[in-house]
Amino acid sequence: DLQMTQSPSSLSASVGDRVSITCRASQSISDYLNWYQQQQGKAPKLLIYAANILQSGVPSRFSGSRSGADFTLTISSLQPEDFATYYCQHAWTFGQGTKVEIK
Amino acid sequence: QLQLQESGSGLVKPSQTLSLSCAVSGGSITSREYSWSWIRQPPGKGLEWIGYIYDVGNTVFNPSFQSRVTLSVDRSNNQFSLMVSSVTAADTAVYYCARRRSNYGYHDHWGQGALVTVSS
Repeated sequence: DLQMTQSPSSLSASVGDRVSITCRASQSISDYLNWYQQQQGKAPKLLIYAANILQSGVPSRFSGSRSGADFTLTISSLQPEDFATYYCQHAWTFGQGTKVEIK
Repeated sequence: QLQLQESGSGLVKPSQTLSLSCAVSGGSITSREYSWSWIRQPPGKGLEWIGYIYDVGNTVFNPSFQSRVTLSVDRSNNQFSLMVSSVTAADTAVYYCARRRSNYGYHDHWGQGALVTVSS
């Protein structure tokens, strides 16, 4: 079975910091990897699809990349509204989530 | 602007059947480019994809749910539905409906979510 291992499970950062979250696939998934942001009490919001394509309306400080089986979501300069939980997704599998908290 | 809205029973007794519907507005459920998903989130936990359905009724399920889940689509009313049978407390969750892009598998529009509690 495909496993998506997301890390870290949580991180603390300050406004303005550069933050990276990684998702590793246990088998080849090509570029079929999507990233979501979930604010507390709200539905997830699509940020990035196909590993590195920014969804319409999402700020350009969000970016996605791939290196082999490792996929990375990067926030170039963390903003107050970015403190949330982030999930990767491929097919029917979501990563475990990364909670980004205020340092 | 496409909108999705879940509705259904918020409290279900153990062993009974959970039933939810998702009304789609601002766009048609009839599409070759998209399918329609159900995803759930137990309290304090991560996201769990249940399955999706195409407008013509073809379905794909997470193997973990396949034996208990029924998906249906009502094109005339622009909505789709979920039933989960033989529920237990472990099925207590916020249930989301979402639009799924067929080729990339991403979910670009979500409902606000419906909390379903399984309790006697």
